[in-house]
Amino acid sequence: GAGVSQSPSNKVTEKGKDVELRCDPISGHTALYWYRQSLGQGLEFLIYFQGNSAPDKSGLPSDRFSAERTGGSVSTLTIQRTQQEDSAVYLCASSFLAGGYTGELFFGEGSRLTVL
Amino acid sequence: GENVEQHPSTLSVQEGDSAVIKCTYSDSASNYFPWYKQELGKGSQLIIDIRSNVGEKKDQRIAVTLNKTAKHFSLHITETQPEDSAVYFCAASPGAGSYQLTFGKGTKLSVIP
Repeated sequence: GAGVSQSPSNKVTEKGKDVELRCDPISGHTALYWYRQSLGQGLEFLIYFQGNSAPDKSGLPSDRFSAERTGGSVSTLTIQRTQQEDSAVYLCASSFLAGGYTGELFFGEGSRLTVL
Repeated sequence: GENVEQHPSTLSVQEGDSAVIKCTYSDSASNYFPWYKQELGKGSQLIIDIRSNVGEKKDQRIAVTLNKTAKHFSLHITETQPEDSAVYFCAASPGAGSYQLTFGKGTKLSVIP
């Protein structure tokens, strides 16, 4: 479809393993966000990409987390040496910024990560 | 940084009644306040938003009010229907020139038929 696509939808991994989460934004959207939603918590900002500018990584909780966005489109969030506290739903959103204002964010369905 | 508090965390209403969800924010520079609806199996969707140059905005059964002096804004849903059952998130952003959205912790709304 034309929405934001995330994969995998569910991932169960063992503590210490690395995981990669993928996000396919809406075509033409210049901005891409990663958020984390833990049980009973709001959406925690992780990282933001806008066009060719350097990403804002200020929300990444530790150096085990990294993300890249290739060709201004698909993004991958990588978590190395996963810990149980990394268990959460990882949400990707994209938007088309206009006039410098925060545009409407279009969210994917999320990737639910469970670290055993 | 910005801090957004949202209340209540859960809300149950009878079908046809009204529901009100309230949020407060800390950064007086924030001037954009969207509300997102999160349903099971779907990506969160923007349902209404308001900028600080207005005090109220309405879209059919949904309205948002903003009090900049008190730094709080509220979502009002009238004539609730079972399909309104979802988790609702408020957010605040400094607006122009900024992309940052700080979200509240969400309100789980249950509409009882």
